[in-house]
Amino acid sequence: EAGVVQSPRYKIIEKKQPVAFWCNPISGHNTLYWYLQNLGQGPELLIRYENEEAVDDSQLPKDRFSAERLKGVDSTLKIQPAELGDSAVYLCASSWNTEAFFGQGTRLTVV
Amino acid sequence: GQNIDQPTEMTATEGAIVQINCTYQTSGFNGLFWYQQHAGEAPTFLSYNVLDGLEEKGRFSSFLSRSKGYSYLLLKELQMKDSASYLCAVRDSGSARQLTFGSGTQLTVLP
Repeated sequence: EAGVVQSPRYKIIEKKQPVAFWCNPISGHNTLYWYLQNLGQGPELLIRYENEEAVDDSQLPKDRFSAERLKGVDSTLKIQPAELGDSAVYLCASSWNTEAFFGQGTRLTVV
Repeated sequence: GQNIDQPTEMTATEGAIVQINCTYQTSGFNGLFWYQQHAGEAPTFLSYNVLDGLEEKGRFSSFLSRSKGYSYLLLKELQMKDSASYLCAVRDSGSARQLTFGSGTQLTVLP
């Protein structure tokens, strides 16, 4: 069975440009997470979905970040406009009941 | 909210035993997870504790004391490939189910 799939793996953009990340969770997993991870730190939650509903987006910087999960399956995370401080790894994870399974992440570099 | 503490770095010798501690403070508790993360890779699930006691899984064991807000991950017969970051994560109780991570413990296994 395929795991959590994220794309792209790497992205380099100039500041003030928009960027989007895509995540395909494990089939049947109703919970989907987007995390941000800086070097040497643990993942920090940005948003969590239960099916298509965003149930926890308190940590999402809503002035520039947005996310959607249409039909309760795939999800996209967008940043517009990107800032230098947004450089990090963006991880998507999904779960059904207990443990969360992570994708390989998208490493974003804003220059 | 939740507060999770774990040591930043640890060093051990190949073949030895190492214990990585994690303390947490949470308004609600519904399980504690340990993940392993190699550099540049996604976190992978190691163990889950929701009741007090020890869970053993091969060379890895995890212990939980809910009354003390304390857990540890025990790694036996250390191998070079065990060099990685070990992340402690706590899940909220009730409908929140938020999964919050500590900053991770970077373990270096020396020959």
